[in-house]
Amino acid sequence: DIQLTQSPSFLSASVGDRVTITCRASQGISTYLAWFQQKPGRAPNLLIYAASTLQSGVPSRFSASASGTEFTLTITGLQSEDFATYFCLQHNKYPLTFGGGTKVEIK
Amino acid sequence: EVQLVESGGGLVQPGGSLRLSCGVSGSTFSDHYMDWVRQAPGKGLEWVGRIRDKANSFTTEYAASVKGRFTISRDDSKNSLFLQMNSLKTDDTAVYYCVRVTLITIFGAVHGALEFWGQGTLVTVSS
Repeated sequence: DIQLTQSPSFLSASVGDRVTITCRASQGISTYLAWFQQKPGRAPNLLIYAASTLQSGVPSRFSASASGTEFTLTITGLQSEDFATYFCLQHNKYPLTFGGGTKVEIK
Repeated sequence: EVQLVESGGGLVQPGGSLRLSCGVSGSTFSDHYMDWVRQAPGKGLEWVGRIRDKANSFTTEYAASVKGRFTISRDDSKNSLFLQMNSLKTDDTAVYYCVRVTLITIFGAVHGALEFWGQGTLVTVSS
């Protein structure tokens, strides 16, 4: 199975900060990677697909990029509603696998 | 507006069975692949499996942890997705989400975006 190593697992930041989350795949997955945001008690919400394409309705402060097997999600100008847990997902091969998650909390 | 509503969760003893349902509205259900994803309490997300559409013969894929015990099916006439869970273990305790997959082609590559999620239904396996 393809493993996704997500880092950091926990991140403390302030409103207005720029934060970066990384997801590293154990093998090549091309651009078959997505990013999700999940708030407590809620279902995940798709933010990014195809490694860097912003889902419709997602604010432009969210961006993502890919370099080989390393993928990054960046939030530029963190807002209060962005404090949540973020997951990456690879869908290059079955079984689909998720990263372990990054919890973004208020400093 | 696309809406997915899961039902059928509850408390079941180890070794028991449970059948989850997911009703989909606001979408042409039959055109889409559908997934199940689960999340154990306080843990991360785990993909459970997928069922493709009629054009792809309703074929299925499963995670190793559930293969042989869980079966995904669908009834396109009722816009419904199902997850039959047998031989349940305590490790199967989780919130189960149904997810509509949207196939998007970018530069010739087809991406299956897990675009729409239900609110989830809790399955507790305990004696």
